[in-house]
This record gives sequence, structure tokens and C-alpha cells, in this order.
Amino acid sequence: DTGVSQDPRHKITKRGQNVTFRCDPISEHNRLYWYRQTLGQGPEFLTYFQNEAQLEKSRLLSDRFSAERPKGSFSTLEIQRTEQGDSAMYLCASSLYKSSGNTIYFGEGSWLTVV
Amino acid sequence: AQSVTQLGSHVSVSEGALVLLRCNYSSSVPPYLFWYVQYPNQGLQLLLKYTTGATLVKGINGFEAEFKKSETSFHLTKPSAHMSDAAEYFCAVRTPGNTPLVFGKGTRLSVIA
Repeated sequence: DTGVSQDPRHKITKRGQNVTFRCDPISEHNRLYWYRQTLGQGPEFLTYFQNEAQLEKSRLLSDRFSAERPKGSFSTLEIQRTEQGDSAMYLCASSLYKSSGNTIYFGEGSWLTVV
Repeated sequence: AQSVTQLGSHVSVSEGALVLLRCNYSSSVPPYLFWYVQYPNQGLQLLLKYTTGATLVKGINGFEAEFKKSETSFHLTKPSAHMSDAAEYFCAVRTPGNTPLVFGKGTRLSVIA
């Protein structure tokens, strides 16, 4: 069990560029979550998948953001036309949905700095 | 909708002293409650969780928390602080319907030698 893996860990990009983050969940986990965390704040929910289906999206997920989980395994989060306000840590998490109360495991996060 | 309030954005204790981090929640249904710890530039690690059953929950690293429905609280405690406990701590809530976790703003714990 290798844990939730995120790549890249750090990304610096110029305003207006597109960026993509990848998340590999714990093997066999069918639920995958994306959160965003800014300095001094708790993580804020963005979206989650069960297998390949995107079940919920937060209002924080503007139309510049898109997430996919094409084969129900890894997921990508793309931000188009980045803005300085997008600078944050993007956290991926996964869980095995069998019943309520299942633990959600987080990755190390991907730091985005938009300059 | 659920929400979490963590009282005190920064708590400072002496090494060996009691750690008490406060968390109050709001939920229209019986909640599931969690405490996570985050070390600098790292992701979140689960300390403990309450779902059902015993209201006093023990977690890793000597931490424990008690679910008090009447007070809508889930405070985190540790009898004796270690330097290695210095980190950011987040309380989170979710409903039994497997809705996503809702986090508080976090409490930064400093441990003074």
C-alpha cells in the first residue's frame, strides 16, 4: 500500500497558462477527492469521483477547472488560464466506499504558485 | 449543511503540558467527526475519528477526543505535549451519507521547550 501519490509536488506557472495535476489513489480505492488549501485555511472541497463518475462539484470549481478520472484509477485536475488567486495547495484523497465512516486518506499535495 | 468551528487559530503549550484543541460542529444529522494533523508542506494524516459507539476515541501519538452531543463538541486532547506534536490540526465533519469532509480552519499548535 503505497499511499496517495500526487505529481508534481510543486508547480510555478505564469498567469494565463494551463496546468495539470495528477493523482494516483491507493490501489482498490473507488472514491477520489480533490481539495484546495490556501495559507492559513483548512482544505476546501472541490470535487469527488466514485470510480469514473464525477458525483459532486463544489461551486468553487469554476469553469476553468476540470477534473477527470477516465478509467476509475488515477485522476487529473486541470486549471486553464490560471490566475493569481489559484495559488494554493491542491490535495487529492481517496477512500474505499463500502459503508459510512470509511477513512479518507490524503496525499502530500501539489503546490501551485501563479506569478 | 455541516460546519466546523475551531476555537483558537494558534495554541502554544509547554513541553509536557496538557494539549487541548477545541472543535465545535454543526450538523442537522448525527455526524461523523475527524481530527487530522498536517506537518509543514505535507498532506493530512488522520489522528482519530468518531463514527458510532464509544464517545471517547483514542488515536495515534497519544491523542484522544470525546464526542459530546449535548455540547456539539469534539475536542482533541493529549496529556503531555512533545516537541514533535508541533503542527497544524484540523477538525472535520461529515454526515453518514458519505458526503465529503468539511474542515475547520485549523489550529496551529506550538510546543515550547
